[in-house]
Amino acid sequence: AQTVTQSQPEMSVQEAETVTLSCTYDTSESNYYLFWYKQPPSRQMILVIRQEAYKQQNATENRFSVNFQKAAKSFSLKISDSQLGDTAMYFCAFMKHDRRFNNNDMRFGAGTRLTVKP
Amino acid sequence: EPEVTQTPSHQVTQMGQEVILRCVPISNHLYFYWYRQILGQKVEFLVSFYNNEISEKSEIFDDQFSVERPDGSNFTLKIRSTKLEDSAMYFCASSPRSGGLLSYEQYFGPGTRLTVT
Repeated sequence: AQTVTQSQPEMSVQEAETVTLSCTYDTSESNYYLFWYKQPPSRQMILVIRQEAYKQQNATENRFSVNFQKAAKSFSLKISDSQLGDTAMYFCAFMKHDRRFNNNDMRFGAGTRLTVKP
Repeated sequence: EPEVTQTPSHQVTQMGQEVILRCVPISNHLYFYWYRQILGQKVEFLVSFYNNEISEKSEIFDDQFSVERPDGSNFTLKIRSTKLEDSAMYFCASSPRSGGLLSYEQYFGPGTRLTVT
């Protein structure tokens, strides 16, 4: 079974600074996908960034980037130039690739509560 | 931009009652999911649905739960006899047909908060 671990329950950062959220996972799969979701107080789940395991290049989306270390099974999220609106719960998620169904369930970590301070 | 919708946003029910949570996935999506999030905890997978049948389910998804796609647009989660521990946020998600990374992206609805008293 796949497990996702986020070892930082809470983090804070000053506005405009950079913060990195950690995520590690355990799997025997070779082909899979990794995601970071943001959950603001409204509790809506919003996709922040995605990564395919077979791609060595780290994904980036504007101020958000990842450091994907496949051998170490690590998938950290870096938020640059933090903004007040980035305050939210952040969940790391893993999804295996299954040829039978093409889509599979997503396994989430416990989340990291990020607070951006003015 | 198309989005997943869920109704109601908040449902309060008494223990032992049946509830039906409704979701309208994005129209051209083929894969549908239900997740739940107990307050303060992580999001947990319940069930995935494709081609009018369950493709995968978790150990949480016991006989009290069922899913249905009664027509071409709705996707429902039924809890037959609710328990106090069923109180949670329930998220519906959908994703498009296979082919490329974007097809694996799951689009989440805003959630239904279920409170069992």
